[in-house]
Amino acid sequence: GAGVSQSPSNKVTEKGKDVELRCDPISGHTALYWYRQSLGQGLEFLIYFQGNSAPDKSGLPSDRFSAERTGGSVSTLTIQRTQQEDSAVYLCASSLGTRGATDTQYFGPGTRLTVL
Amino acid sequence: AQKVTQAQTEISVVEKEDVTLDCVYETRDTTYYLFWYKQPPSGELVFLIRRNSFDEQNEISGRYSWNFQKSTSSFNFTITASQVVDSAVYFCALSEAGTGANNLFFGTGTRLTVIP
Repeated sequence: GAGVSQSPSNKVTEKGKDVELRCDPISGHTALYWYRQSLGQGLEFLIYFQGNSAPDKSGLPSDRFSAERTGGSVSTLTIQRTQQEDSAVYLCASSLGTRGATDTQYFGPGTRLTVL
Repeated sequence: AQKVTQAQTEISVVEKEDVTLDCVYETRDTTYYLFWYKQPPSGELVFLIRRNSFDEQNEISGRYSWNFQKSTSSFNFTITASQVVDSAVYFCALSEAGTGANNLFFGTGTRLTVIP
């Protein structure tokens, strides 16, 4: 079956602009995660969605970052007023959601964001 | 404190050599899961293995094997008879069942280069 898909694969934007990154999880997976991978910080957790529960936003680095998940499927990560330090690869993952974070997470190809 | 430590930043081996990637973890949880992921140059994180804290049996899958030792909090990964296609960054990760954390904690990765 299809894996996790993300779009766009690359995004170049100017400092101060808003960007939206999209993630389409594996069909049937109720849990969805966003991570950020940057040179200096490694892989950082950003946000977690599980079914209809309130999302775990504990990893979001600032209030410029937000995410939503519509209909329990597709998710959009929005970064407002982008800064150069937001440049990174944004990875989305999904899992069955039956055992929380202990389920295997399957990752998408990522969106490489470059803020000029 | 870093929950997952991969002390080897980069390793180079000649094709057909065996190589072991080290992973040391830290947790107070009694129920936890350990993972290895491979990130080839294409960038997508590929799941390799998931192991729970109650199962200390070593596992072998083709040329890959994993050695889990709770006594030393280690979950090392060995590639036998390495091939050029094994060149990638390998990440070890931990998830905790009892702390309420919803994310994977990743190590900083080990970049493996297999020289033909």
